[in-house]
Amino acid sequence: GAGVSQSPSNKVTEKGKDVELRCDPISGHTALYWYRQSLGQGLEFLIYFQGNSAPDKSGLPSDRFSAERTGGSVSTLTIQRTQQEDSAVYLCASSLAGTRNYGYTFGSGTRLTVV
Amino acid sequence: DQQVKQNSPSLSVQEGRISILNCDYTNSMFDYFLWYKKYPAEGPTFLISISSIKDKNEDGRFTVFLNKSAKHLSLHIVPSQPGDSAVYFCAARPPRSGGSNYKLTFGKGTLLTVNP
Repeated sequence: GAGVSQSPSNKVTEKGKDVELRCDPISGHTALYWYRQSLGQGLEFLIYFQGNSAPDKSGLPSDRFSAERTGGSVSTLTIQRTQQEDSAVYLCASSLAGTRNYGYTFGSGTRLTVV
Repeated sequence: DQQVKQNSPSLSVQEGRISILNCDYTNSMFDYFLWYKKYPAEGPTFLISISSIKDKNEDGRFTVFLNKSAKHLSLHIVPSQPGDSAVYFCAARPPRSGGSNYKLTFGKGTLLTVNP
């Protein structure tokens, strides 16, 4: 596609429920990233996928968070047993491998609200 | 520990004047710095970057200055326009040799308002 697409754009869920957030990167981009922005905070790295390599999951805040990337394209971020502190904007980005000097292309994000 | 700091949460300037957005960092290993611009309900978009081996990079109305000894960078917008009103994030990248050079560390952002 022309840009990074994320769905849903907004999600309100009850505490304790599971949620799935989807990211469709730019076609041909081998690198995919998930970040989140909590209220009043900067963007926080969550996870990175690059081609067929093992993902870097070092930013996932707890074992309730997981992510997968199927077929080297679409990625899903899953949060189990959501808590109120999970409320944030979850941003997905993609890039061509090797374009470290030009940054990523971000999607518009999913605003998650846990009530 | 916040490695990239944007100490001004907001800045207001008049149209046509200069906007100066500041960013400080603590990790001397960062070797590349980027500025992103974010409008409400949109993702951040890349604006301009600078390598740590340079002290200035200019692109049209936007110039980024880097002072390595002070671990400080700034983004200058001249002249400022109402359409520049957005949140500006400073970000830093570790060196390629570090193994996780793809990770960007972001500041909390500065909301710039350009008044007509």
